[in-house]
Amino acid sequence: TQLLEQSPQFLSIQEGENLTVYCNSSSVFSSLQWYRQEPGEGPVLLVTVVTGGEVKKLKRLTFQFGDARKDSSLHITAAQPGDTGLYLCAGGNRDDKIIFGKGTRLHILP
Amino acid sequence: KAGVTQTPRYLIKTRGQQVTLSCSPISGHRSVSWYQQTPGQGLQFLFEYFSETQRNKGNFPGRFSGRQFSNSRSEMNVSTLELGDSALYLCASSSYSRNTEAFFGQGTRLTVV
Repeated sequence: TQLLEQSPQFLSIQEGENLTVYCNSSSVFSSLQWYRQEPGEGPVLLVTVVTGGEVKKLKRLTFQFGDARKDSSLHITAAQPGDTGLYLCAGGNRDDKIIFGKGTRLHILP
Repeated sequence: KAGVTQTPRYLIKTRGQQVTLSCSPISGHRSVSWYQQTPGQGLQFLFEYFSETQRNKGNFPGRFSGRQFSNSRSEMNVSTLELGDSALYLCASSSYSRNTEAFFGQGTRLTVV
């Protein structure tokens, strides 16, 4: 069974600080997505990474896919209150099944 | 391009009743997946439909069922509701692609009393 483990589960930091959250698995994924979800809403797709070692930047967010395509990280620079939310990673396998991690709940204090 | 539309947004039902939720995917997307989200369990996969056929199924009891119509719109049904079925039900649509990106609707908040 493929699993995605996200860490930390909860993170509360001050505005302006940097942070990194992780998404790890023992399985190889053909692609990996990161989503952000706000309370009472559906997850919103942030990025997709498909190549081992790939790095993508979205303003202050940097996403990296591990060389072996088993793990990923999300780094936020100078966090802002608008970054608050639940960050989910999801991996796609060759059968086109999508596996979701349980998420990291991030709270940025103003 | 219109996004994924789920109706209704909120529902309150009594234990033992049944409920039907609706999802209209992004135009051109043929895959529709359903998820249950609760604070304790996170996002749990219910089932996926592709071209009117159930392609994948999660570990939920038979009370949870779904279907997809020829226009790719999907419905999910839960019969004999239990208190534990209270959750946010999310629908996601995907194009048939290698990247398996999912685009979610806003969800239906179901409360069973």
